[in-house]
Amino acid sequence: EAGVTQFPSHSVIEKGQTVTLRCDPISGHDNLYWYRRVMGKEIKFLLHFVKESKQDESGMPNNRFLAERTGGTYSTLKVQPAELEDSGVYFCASSLGLAINEQFFGPGTRLTVL
Amino acid sequence: AQSVTQPDIHITVSEGASLELRCNYSYGATPYLFWYVQSPGQGLQLLLKYFSGDTLVQGIKGFEAEFKRSQSSFNLRKPSVHWSDAAEYFCAVVQPSGNTPLVFGKGTRLSVIA
Repeated sequence: EAGVTQFPSHSVIEKGQTVTLRCDPISGHDNLYWYRRVMGKEIKFLLHFVKESKQDESGMPNNRFLAERTGGTYSTLKVQPAELEDSGVYFCASSLGLAINEQFFGPGTRLTVL
Repeated sequence: AQSVTQPDIHITVSEGASLELRCNYSYGATPYLFWYVQSPGQGLQLLLKYFSGDTLVQGIKGFEAEFKRSQSSFNLRKPSVHWSDAAEYFCAVVQPSGNTPLVFGKGTRLSVIA
């Protein structure tokens, strides 16, 4: 069974540019989460999809971040326009069902904004 | 708000020595508790979890953790460290209802020397 995959693994962009991160969850996992780790800080929650619906987006830092999960499969996280403080590692995780279940994490996308 | 404290940013141990990584949480009720490990280039992998019952839980790769309610702690231990255990370790909690996001500590980086 394939795990959670994320693309790209690294992205270096200039301030003001747009970047789109992609996450492919484990097949059949309804729950999809985005997290972010800024250097030296803890991994922080951004948002949670249940299928194609946003269940909780309380962690999204501002309206420069837009997440979608069309069709309830893969998800994209767009940052537009990117700012220096957006640099960090963006993790995606997926899990089954409604009960507490293990969240399986992808390897992350390292975003550097110059 | 709930929080997780991992007081040790970086620990170095000799191969074969024992290991204990500390984790304390602040939460209104007893949360569900997790330890994840991230090896270079990899996603976060679940080592073990505690929901209820026996306060000493066994995980993968020879790790164990003990939940101590009185101390709000969930320390990770391993009796004999292997060089392949060098990685970053994250303690995380989640509220025991529904599929809610994980709250992470800042992580502890483990180095293993010969």
